[in-house]
Amino acid sequence: DVKVTQSSRYLVKRTGEKVFLECVQDMDHENMFWYRQDPGLGLRLIYFSYDVKMKEKGDIPEGYSVSREKKERFSLILESASTNQTSMYLCASTPGSSYEQYFGPGTRLTVT
Amino acid sequence: DAKTTQPPSMDCAEGRAANLPCNHSTISGNEYVYWYRQIHSQGPQYIIHGLKNNETNEMASLIITEDRKSSTLILPHATLRDTAVYYCIVRTPDMYSGGGADGLTFGKGTHLIIQP
Repeated sequence: DVKVTQSSRYLVKRTGEKVFLECVQDMDHENMFWYRQDPGLGLRLIYFSYDVKMKEKGDIPEGYSVSREKKERFSLILESASTNQTSMYLCASTPGSSYEQYFGPGTRLTVT
Repeated sequence: DAKTTQPPSMDCAEGRAANLPCNHSTISGNEYVYWYRQIHSQGPQYIIHGLKNNETNEMASLIITEDRKSSTLILPHATLRDTAVYYCIVRTPDMYSGGGADGLTFGKGTHLIIQP
């Protein structure tokens, strides 16, 4: 089975802190994604990457950056966390030619 | 991407077939229909996708009308573990990657509750 793992299920950070969310997939997938999910707003794409060291902005990239130094790992960085970044963060991956996205369990981030 | 409309919630008795409708009347010729579900406190899970023909896999069947303006996801023998929010998404595959690099936009979906 495809496994997408995220570094934490729950995280609490203070305003202004730098936050790293890690995602690892074990199936050699080319494409990886970061989303956030908020009640009433559904799932929104933050960034995605279709190759190592490549990244593309999604619908809501402001306040976030990403890093993909290895194929299996895709990191989401909040340079200076703010309360409006309190959310559920979901990572996903997919092979280059597939339409199926495999999601991790999510990280519920609270910024106080 | 075409907009989709789904009922906000549905009930189904355990062991019966659950039929979840999705309206996508503005779908264009190269857009696929995808279905995902999200069980409470978990990440979304891919179920099935199709372009114009009906599709079946080990989880579900997807019936797309001939005019492609609507579709139905069928869970043939629903169990309590099928209680989840089900999302219908219409999406054009990304030409660069053949489909895989697209991000997905989920709407509000249908909350399916399986009753014992």
